[in-house]
Amino acid sequence: GQNIDQPTEMTATEGAIVQINCTYQTSGFNGLFWYQQHAGEAPTFLSYNVLDGLEEKGRFSSFLSRSKGYSYLLLKELQMKDSASYLCAVSRNSGYSTLTFGKGTMLLVSP
Amino acid sequence: DVKVTQSSRYLVKRTGEKVFLECVQDMDHENMFWYRQDPGLGLRLIYFSYDVKMKEKGDIPEGYSVSREKKERFSLILESASTNQTSMYLCASSQPQGESFEQYFGPGTRLTVT
Repeated sequence: GQNIDQPTEMTATEGAIVQINCTYQTSGFNGLFWYQQHAGEAPTFLSYNVLDGLEEKGRFSSFLSRSKGYSYLLLKELQMKDSASYLCAVSRNSGYSTLTFGKGTMLLVSP
Repeated sequence: DVKVTQSSRYLVKRTGEKVFLECVQDMDHENMFWYRQDPGLGLRLIYFSYDVKMKEKGDIPEGYSVSREKKERFSLILESASTNQTSMYLCASSQPQGESFEQYFGPGTRLTVT
C-alpha cells in the first residue's frame, strides 16, 4: 500500500518563510508533485521532483530525498494570497500517470 | 492554456437517481481522471482512463462507473445515488507518464444527494 503524511494545518506570518513537509512510503516510487488549492477552487500544479535535491521556482521551492521518503515545499516572502491547502502527491512506476494524494496541509497566512 | 471544464458547479439529486457528471478537456490529453474530495480524506481516485473506451478502477470505484467515448470527454456515472456519495467531484487530465505529466483539474462539481 501507500502512505503519505503531511501536517493538517500550519500558520505563518506575512513576509515569513514556511516549510511544509511530506513523508511517503510507497513501492515503485517515480516522483512527487506539489499542488496548491485555494478554498472552493481546483488544485493547481506547483512543482514536480523526480531526482534528489532542490528545485526552485520563484518564491516556491521543492525538495526531494528519495532515500528518506521525504519532500518539502518551501514558501518564501509569504503573501496573504498564499493562504491555501497544499497537496503532496506521489506517482509510481505503474505505466499510468496516476497520482496518490496526501490529505493536504492548510496554510493560513496572517498579517 | 489547458482547460478542463465540468458540466455543473453544483448539483442536488435524490437518493436512487442516476447521475451523470461530464468532463471535457481541450488539450488532447491521453489520460483523464475522476476524483472525489472529502474533508479529512483528501483527494481519492475513483476511475481513470488512458485512452478512448479504456478505463481502470482507482482506489474507490464502488458505486460508480465511467464512460469515455471520445478523447476529450470523460463521464462519471452514479447508477443509483446514495447520501454517502455527497461530495466534491473533480475531473483532471494529463499526458501519459513521462517528462511532463502533471494533472490539470476542472473546477469541480459539488454534488449533494438528499
